[in-house]
Amino acid sequence: GNSVTQMEGPVTLSEEAFLTINCTYTATGYPSLFWYVQYPGEGLQLLLKATKADDKGSNKGFEATYRKETTSFHLEKGSVQVSDSAVYFCASPTYSSASKIIFGSGTRLSIRP
Amino acid sequence: GAVVSQHPSWVICKSGTSVKIECRSLDFQATTMFWYRQFPKQSLMLMATSNEGSKATYEQGVEKDKFLINHASLTLSTLTVTSAHPEDSSFYICSADGVAQETQYFGPGTRLLVL
Repeated sequence: GNSVTQMEGPVTLSEEAFLTINCTYTATGYPSLFWYVQYPGEGLQLLLKATKADDKGSNKGFEATYRKETTSFHLEKGSVQVSDSAVYFCASPTYSSASKIIFGSGTRLSIRP
Repeated sequence: GAVVSQHPSWVICKSGTSVKIECRSLDFQATTMFWYRQFPKQSLMLMATSNEGSKATYEQGVEKDKFLINHASLTLSTLTVTSAHPEDSSFYICSADGVAQETQYFGPGTRLLVL
């Protein structure tokens, strides 16, 4: 079945630093790929998604490009803010059901002022 | 739009009691809702898929008699943790299937602490 693997955290950066959180996938075919964000004490929010190879998802200054050559969907942001401190999850639908989503282990990001 | 609420947001109960958690889609109808649990600093684990008007489908290893799910309407699904024990303490999150394919909207979560 499909699976996603993301870099372990925690990741601590200074404000305005460049961010990369790695995510790779294994899948049958080319499923959609997602990044979700979970702020402290809250549920998950969809941050961005890409539905096919070479697509780039973007939102709130974050970007991720669906690269089939490297089976990756790395999350990037050029200049992080303290408010970006959260846990980020890479995710993909399962092979058996597009409605079910499997999540990576999550990467906790902390931004220092 | 596409707001999902959960109630309560947190609950503390004694061991052996049952706790009901509600998940509501506030401005849309959701044929399918999902229940997840999340342990501290871990990822979400899908517990079950809840379909309106039919029995829930549980993931492997999840006790259906322990975690009762009812999806009686297109806007409400409930999860009841029966005879709760300290090991059931966790963060429970629901999500609702959106109109667009592969879109899920997540509730804010319910933190359960069993003493």
